[in-house]
Amino acid sequence: DTGVSQNPRHKITKRGQNVTFRCDPISEHNRLYWYRQTLGQGPEFLTYFQNEAQLEKSRLLSDRFSAERPKGSFSTLEIQRTEQGDSAMYLCASSSRAGGQETQYFGPGTRLLVL
Amino acid sequence: AQSVAQPEDQVNVAEGNPLTVKCTYSVSGNPYLFWYVQYPNRGLQFLLKYITGDNLVKGSYGFEAEFNKSQTSFHLKKPSALVSDSALYFCAVRGHNDMRFGAGTRLTVKP
Repeated sequence: DTGVSQNPRHKITKRGQNVTFRCDPISEHNRLYWYRQTLGQGPEFLTYFQNEAQLEKSRLLSDRFSAERPKGSFSTLEIQRTEQGDSAMYLCASSSRAGGQETQYFGPGTRLLVL
Repeated sequence: AQSVAQPEDQVNVAEGNPLTVKCTYSVSGNPYLFWYVQYPNRGLQFLLKYITGDNLVKGSYGFEAEFNKSQTSFHLKKPSALVSDSALYFCAVRGHNDMRFGAGTRLTVKP
């Protein structure tokens, strides 16, 4: 399968714990995006990378959220000191072109439940 | 700011009938519009996009969308619905560095 992959698919954690999610983009896609989707809503943009550079992070939900893409390939999204309101689906997408011609391809998502 | 709206939370159609899922947009500049479909507990699958050119865009699984500049709409259509088309459909517009999605429309196709 050459699509975007995300791990784990499901994560249950207790409030206050840290969690980390991984995204492997389509091979050779240089752009990688993170979104959050809550029940009954469309995906909400969080951050994105072009290669290893994080070009937009002002829309991360709080300073508890951080993302990395150290070698310009896979990316991780970390949530520190999780809260119940962090429960959501976290989606990763990748693309190979910028601007109007760009199409983002999404992974299956990681569903987080904070107890 | 770029945005889209999906005025219907739910659309119900009978199998074999045509379906329409509505989307309106608000953009500054040229609109780059997309439709995605989401099946339960899955990510979003790309269906089609409008960049420029023909107002009727053909996509995957027999879907098409009609871009209407005067009505600022980008409705998703299919001539004959299948039960397997039942899913959540999202309209989206390209922003500066992101995609901006509508709240989604749940399509139910009944046998």
